[in-house]
Amino acid sequence: AQKVTQAQTEISVVEKEDVTLDCVYETRDTTYYLFWYKQPPSGELVFLIRRNSFDEQNEISGRYSWNFQKSTSSFNFTITASQVVDSAVYFCALGESGTYKYIFGTGTRLKVLA
Amino acid sequence: GAGVSQTPSNKVTEKGKYVELRCDPISGHTALYWYRQSLGQGPEFLIYFQGTGAADDSGLPNDRFFAVRPEGSVSTLKIQRTERGDSAVYLCASSLSRGPYEQYFGPGTRLTVT
Repeated sequence: AQKVTQAQTEISVVEKEDVTLDCVYETRDTTYYLFWYKQPPSGELVFLIRRNSFDEQNEISGRYSWNFQKSTSSFNFTITASQVVDSAVYFCALGESGTYKYIFGTGTRLKVLA
Repeated sequence: GAGVSQTPSNKVTEKGKYVELRCDPISGHTALYWYRQSLGQGPEFLIYFQGTGAADDSGLPNDRFFAVRPEGSVSTLKIQRTERGDSAVYLCASSLSRGPYEQYFGPGTRLTVT
């Protein structure tokens, strides 16, 4: 079965701390796609990154970085030097091959305290 | 350019009534998805359109739910005989084409069934 697990329900950090959000996925597909989205208090999901299963290269974008490890079926997201504006719910999603519909995890609520 | 828009932003209806939720995708996007998000949960897939046809409606919970996209652009999600359990935020997303492209989400319609 296709499944995404985000075991951390809520994380609180103090501004400028680094924080890692975990994502573990299950799939039978050999080709698949992984995504991270941010849902700020306003509610609209904002796309952050897409990763293809055949590309295990890690990616850095400013203060954001992603660590994709097929061996452990994980796609973790790290925010360096967190800021209050990073406070949001973060969702990891698995894109199913064929229809490319998303299977979302339950999300991790990140609170960054000033 | 304009993002995905959804109307209405909020809808309150009585149990047993019929409702229509509208989605206007990003211009030129041929793939359109509907998801439903309950409080504290990740979005759950409902239906996917490629062009005018519903390519995958496996997420529709029962036959009270139906969606159309007659001209391959705007889509309407229709719910008959609403139940209190239908209360949720209904999200629409579009992507460039069928394929592993990121989906862009609208702000959602918050449906409350009293």
